[in-house]
Amino acid sequence: EVQLLESGGNLVQPGGSLRLSCAASGFAFSTYAMSWVRRAPGKGLEWVSGISGSGGSTYYADSVKGRFTISRDSSKNTLYLEMNSLRAEDTAVYYCAKSLPPGTARNGVDYWGQGTLVTVSS
Amino acid sequence: DIVMTQTPLSLSVTPGQPASISCKSSQRLLHSDGKTYLYWYLQKPGQSPQLLIYEVSNRFSGVPDRFRGSGSGTDFTLEISRVEAEDVGVYYCMQSIQLPPKTFGQGTKLEIK
Repeated sequence: EVQLLESGGNLVQPGGSLRLSCAASGFAFSTYAMSWVRRAPGKGLEWVSGISGSGGSTYYADSVKGRFTISRDSSKNTLYLEMNSLRAEDTAVYYCAKSLPPGTARNGVDYWGQGTLVTVSS
Repeated sequence: DIVMTQTPLSLSVTPGQPASISCKSSQRLLHSDGKTYLYWYLQKPGQSPQLLIYEVSNRFSGVPDRFRGSGSGTDFTLEISRVEAEDVGVYYCMQSIQLPPKTFGQGTKLEIK
C-alpha cells in the first residue's frame, strides 16, 4: 500500500524558513518522480515543484523559483521541500504526491499525502 | 503557461441525476509520445485530493464506473452518470504536458441538492 506522510509544517514569520518532509513507503521510491502541490485557504490546487526519480532534474513554479528547493534521499525514502524567504502568500496546506507509472516527471500524480499546514504570519 | 479553464465553477445536483464538468486548455495536450496529459482529481471536504481519471479517459483503481472522462485536443469533459452523496467536493482538471509548471483548473464545487 502506497503511503505518503508529510511533516514539518508550522507557523513561521515572513522572511523565515521551513523544511517539509514526506516519508514514502509501499513503492519503489527511487523510480518515481515526486511533486509538491499546495492549496491556499479559499483557493484551488497549485503545483509547486517536482523532481525526477533520480533527483537529477528539478522543476519549480515561477512563484517559488529561487526560494524553494526540492530534493530527495532514496536511502531514507524521503522527499523534501526547503522553503526560504517565506511570504504570506505561501500560506497553504502542502501535499506531496507520487507520479503515475512509469514514474516520469511529466506524468500526472496518483497518490497524495494527507498534507501539512504552513502558515506565514507575524 | 498552459491555462486550464473549467466550467461551471459550481454545480448543485439531485442524487441520481447526471453531472458534467468541462475543462478547456489553452494548448493541445497531446504529446508526441501519443499520450494526452490530462487528469481529473476530486478533493472531498477535509481530505487530500484523489485521482479519478488519467490520460483523458482511464479510470484510476477503485474509481466507480459512473465517472467517465472524454475529450481530445483542448476540450475535455468529466461526466458523472448518477451523482451520489459521496461525490461532493471540488473537482479539478490538470495538465502535465508542459513542465514546469503543471497547471490545474480553478476547480468546480459539486454539492448535493
